[in-house]
Amino acid sequence: DSGVTQTPKHLITATGQRVTLRCSPRSGDLSVYWYQQSLDQGLQFLIQYYNGEERAKGNILERFSAQQFPDLHSELNLSSLELGDSALYFCASSAPGYNTGELFFGEGSRLTVL
Amino acid sequence: GESVGLHLPTLSVQEGDNSIINCAYSNSASDYFIWYKQESGKGPQFIIDIRSNMDKRQGQRVTVLLNKTVKHLSLQIAATQPGDSAVYFCAENRGADGLTFGKGTHLIIQP
Repeated sequence: DSGVTQTPKHLITATGQRVTLRCSPRSGDLSVYWYQQSLDQGLQFLIQYYNGEERAKGNILERFSAQQFPDLHSELNLSSLELGDSALYFCASSAPGYNTGELFFGEGSRLTVL
Repeated sequence: GESVGLHLPTLSVQEGDNSIINCAYSNSASDYFIWYKQESGKGPQFIIDIRSNMDKRQGQRVTVLLNKTVKHLSLQIAATQPGDSAVYFCAENRGADGLTFGKGTHLIIQP
């Protein structure tokens, strides 16, 4: 158990809809990262937050947005969903104050768009 | 564009043998690399990391080798066990840009 919690574990929805994925980082971790994993693209970095502020942005579509709240949990909002958005979405957190590649991943939210 | 990648999508080894998983990178400015293991139905899990000022780093049953001349790194797993069955990713830490992952190698353990 990494200590990172993601909900929901599975989500099935239709094209054009909007969903929200939720992540609670490990206790004490200030950074939250979102990744998308699909079969053909591997793990793609979407966005990072640090203590409520956006820190880095990767290949995140304009239809997607995220935020980190004062209690440090984060939400990833996916709107106008398309079939190609079907994927596993992972949240990860990292310990503060040290430049490390050690991220602690949750078990992911599997999104299926029909 | 520049990216981190792996040579083989699948590697099959006999239980008890050593496994070697390879990764090539193209960004010569990269200075920090990490290996992750992802078991079925789970998120990636950190295994070991190495910085560019090192050629080799050892952990428990794992060794990472870095060859900066040919921009190649490898993960060696000694005495492979059934629990080692997973997808292995190399990743490059680009600091503020987050981790860039390769596509992964699926390690299959034959009994």
